[in-house]
Amino acid sequence: AQSVTQLGSHVSVSEGALVLLRCNYSSSVPPYLFWYVQYPNQGLQLLLKYTTGATLVKGINGFEAEFKKSETSFHLTKPSAHMSDAAEYFCAVRGNNFNKFYFGSGTKLNVKP
Amino acid sequence: NAGVTQTPKFQVLKTGQSMTLQCAQDMNHNSMYWYRQDPGMGLRLIYYSASEGTTDKGEVPNGYNVSRLNKREFSLRLESAAPSQTSVYFCASQSGAPPPYEQYFGPGTRLTVT
Repeated sequence: AQSVTQLGSHVSVSEGALVLLRCNYSSSVPPYLFWYVQYPNQGLQLLLKYTTGATLVKGINGFEAEFKKSETSFHLTKPSAHMSDAAEYFCAVRGNNFNKFYFGSGTKLNVKP
Repeated sequence: NAGVTQTPKFQVLKTGQSMTLQCAQDMNHNSMYWYRQDPGMGLRLIYYSASEGTTDKGEVPNGYNVSRLNKREFSLRLESAAPSQTSVYFCASQSGAPPPYEQYFGPGTRLTVT
């Protein structure tokens, strides 16, 4: 069975500081992994995705994530937070049944001036 | 190219009323999904349709029905709304091959049941 755990429902950083949002997954097959961002009162937008190959994945808005199979992790990072990064972030894994995604419970990122 | 569209954006219902949420996509995707989003619970799958003419239950199907009208449209019906169905509902469609079959989301419908 597949599942996703996001550690920390709320993360607060100062503008210019490193952003680190944690995601651990379980999957019985090589996973396809995703990070989505949701701005207030909007739908989810794809930030980045991991399929196969390079374990460091770059996405939009300066975000990147590293797939670590040994740790079953796919943490999202950004070197320098911007006020516009304030949003909720969801990690997701595609299931064995390719028709299903499994989402984490989300992490709300607050960026302080 | 509008992507995934949903109507209505907002709705208030009284307990026991019925309504249908509409979703359409213009990306020629085979698979479509309905999720609900509640605080602290992420997105939970209600129903999905892998292709035109097929539908399957997800994690939380009770109290809902769906119709895959054609390849573009996938509707969600609440036959007798309950306060527990107060939520934000998202429709999504999923790209086909090649992998990773990413999902594209609509803007959501915010439903309140009083």
